[in-house]
Amino acid sequence: EAQVTQNPRYLITVTGKKLTVTCSQNMNHEYMSWYRQDPGLGLRQIYYSMNVEVTDKGDVPEGYKVSRKEKRNFPLILESPSPNQTSLYFCASSLGGPGYEQYFGPGTRLTVT
Amino acid sequence: AQSVTQPDIHITVSEGASLELRCNYSYGATPYLFWYVQSPGQGLQLLLKYFSGDTLVQGIKGFEAEFKRSQSSFNLRKPSVHWSDAAEYFCAVVLYNNNDMRFGAGTRLTVKP
Repeated sequence: EAQVTQNPRYLITVTGKKLTVTCSQNMNHEYMSWYRQDPGLGLRQIYYSMNVEVTDKGDVPEGYKVSRKEKRNFPLILESPSPNQTSLYFCASSLGGPGYEQYFGPGTRLTVT
Repeated sequence: AQSVTQPDIHITVSEGASLELRCNYSYGATPYLFWYVQSPGQGLQLLLKYFSGDTLVQGIKGFEAEFKRSQSSFNLRKPSVHWSDAAEYFCAVVLYNNNDMRFGAGTRLTVKP
């Protein structure tokens, strides 16, 4: 089944404790992206990647890191999480960019205390 | 400032009634335009998209959207709403030659029996 998977689905952590949210797609997509969703703000793009080893900042990249060492994986790294990073995070992938249909993962709800 | 605006935060319609969700964008050129739907607890799913050509676009689940350049709008419509359409709807844009995507804040649709 074609899908985007994210792990973990739920995470509660404390300020400053490094964490990684994994994202994997099995559709051989070139483009992958991370968004955060906050009430009243919709989805805001954090980082995106057009291909392996190619990443770019989106709208709200501060406090986040990403890497794209393999085509299928695009982990989101929070080196020192803060409470304002409490949010619902979505990973997405598409064939060749956001102009193609994006397939979204189920989301990761992160709480930073 | 460049933006995507969904003026209605929450809309309630009766089952069987028609629906129109509004979306306006503010960009120098006409971007690629999208509507995504998010069912409760789920990721997003593409309903339809507009790149060029016919300004009336048909999508999945009986939805359509009309692009009006003069009004910088891309409103989503459905002639007869079903209870299963209750969800949050997001308008989104991608600029030509750009790889990041901007979403509106979303409109939550409630369907009354």
